[in-house]
Amino acid sequence: TQLLEQSPQFLSIQEGENLTVYCNSSSVFSSLQWYRQEPGEGPVLLVTVVTGGEVKKLKRLTFQFGDARKDSSLHITAAQPGDTGLYLCAGAAFNTDKLIFGTGTRLQVFP
Amino acid sequence: KAGVTQTPRYLIKTRGQQVTLSCSPISGHRSVSWYQQTPGQGLQFLFEYFSETQRNKGNFPGRFSGRQFSNSRSEMNVSTLELGDSALYLCASSFRGTSTDTQYFGPGTRLTVL
Repeated sequence: TQLLEQSPQFLSIQEGENLTVYCNSSSVFSSLQWYRQEPGEGPVLLVTVVTGGEVKKLKRLTFQFGDARKDSSLHITAAQPGDTGLYLCAGAAFNTDKLIFGTGTRLQVFP
Repeated sequence: KAGVTQTPRYLIKTRGQQVTLSCSPISGHRSVSWYQQTPGQGLQFLFEYFSETQRNKGNFPGRFSGRQFSNSRSEMNVSTLELGDSALYLCASSFRGTSTDTQYFGPGTRLTVL
């Protein structure tokens, strides 16, 4: 069974702080996606990374796919209250092409 | 372009009953996937339909079933409900249904089983 562990599980920080969320697995994935989910809504795709070692930036968010394609990180610079939400990573399995979601990181940014 | 819609948004049932949830994908999308989200287990894949055929299935008991119609709308059914079936059920649509294809999620149906 492929598992994606995210850490930390919960994160509560002040506006302006930096943070990093990790997504780790013992399995290799063909690609990895990051989503943000707000209360009462479904997850919204932030980014897809497909190449080992790939780094993508989305304004204050930086995503990295591990060289071995088993892990990923999401770094947020100068967090804002609008960044509050549940962050989910999801890896695509090679054999089935279906997505396996991580355990989630709940971020709260206080003004 | 209208987003993914799910009906109903909230549902309360009792143990032993059955329930049908509906999902209307974004126009032109042929793939619909269903997920169960709970605080304890997170977001788990139920099944995926593409052009009316189930293409992928997760590790859920046979009480969970689904179908897709020719207009790509999809329904999922849960029979003989158990307390543990209480969850947020999300559907997501995409054009091709591949792992690198962008999935658009609906707001979900919150099912409570009493």
